[in-house]
Amino acid sequence: GAVVSQHPSRVICKSGTSVKIECRSLDFQATTMFWYRQFPKKSLMLMATSNEGSKATYEQGVEKDKFLINHASLTLSTLTVTSAHPEDSSFYICSASSLLGLNQETQYFGPGTRLLVL
Amino acid sequence: KQEVTQIPAALSVPEGENLVLNCSFTDSAIYNLQWFRQDPGKGLTSLLLIQSSQREQTSGRLNASLDKSSGRSTLYIAASQPGDSATYLCAASGTYKYIFGTGTRLKVLA
Repeated sequence: GAVVSQHPSRVICKSGTSVKIECRSLDFQATTMFWYRQFPKKSLMLMATSNEGSKATYEQGVEKDKFLINHASLTLSTLTVTSAHPEDSSFYICSASSLLGLNQETQYFGPGTRLLVL
Repeated sequence: KQEVTQIPAALSVPEGENLVLNCSFTDSAIYNLQWFRQDPGKGLTSLLLIQSSQREQTSGRLNASLDKSSGRSTLYIAASQPGDSATYLCAASGTYKYIFGTGTRLKVLA
């Protein structure tokens, strides 16, 4: 149980285009989803937290107009990187948690999406 | 502000050795402490989760301990194998946020 998927697993795009990454909870209702970014050989940095049906809360230094997050349902959140540039190339990982279960503080992680902007 | 550090940053050991990875956190008000494994270019695999009320968790050759008062957690790997080679991350959970450590890159030599 508690499986989280991400799509696509890898994407290459041209500079200036927008890229959408999907994060889905497959077998539970995710009241909260989190988006992380990981640079090569670095740890995960939290970008934003989103609760279903409300606006995402962004961490300090993360441009909300650059990284659009939508959490329209209890099983799906999307991250759109708008007007992507090479410096946006990174590994993006989502996670999900649920206030409806016993382990409310536990996050379940997706497999990640590698973005390469040329 | 919670800060999580891991020591050592990298470790190379011969196969069969028992080893200890360390994780330190500055704010003891955590809900749980979780250890993950990450293979190159891959996502996270959860290894062990220790609730704040627990002292340790075990799974196979892995044992993780938690000492909230000193802000420390250790991951003990018994009889290491080449397949254990990966980056190990710890994360401290508080107020619905995970703060990740800097990671330990482990290489087990055959």
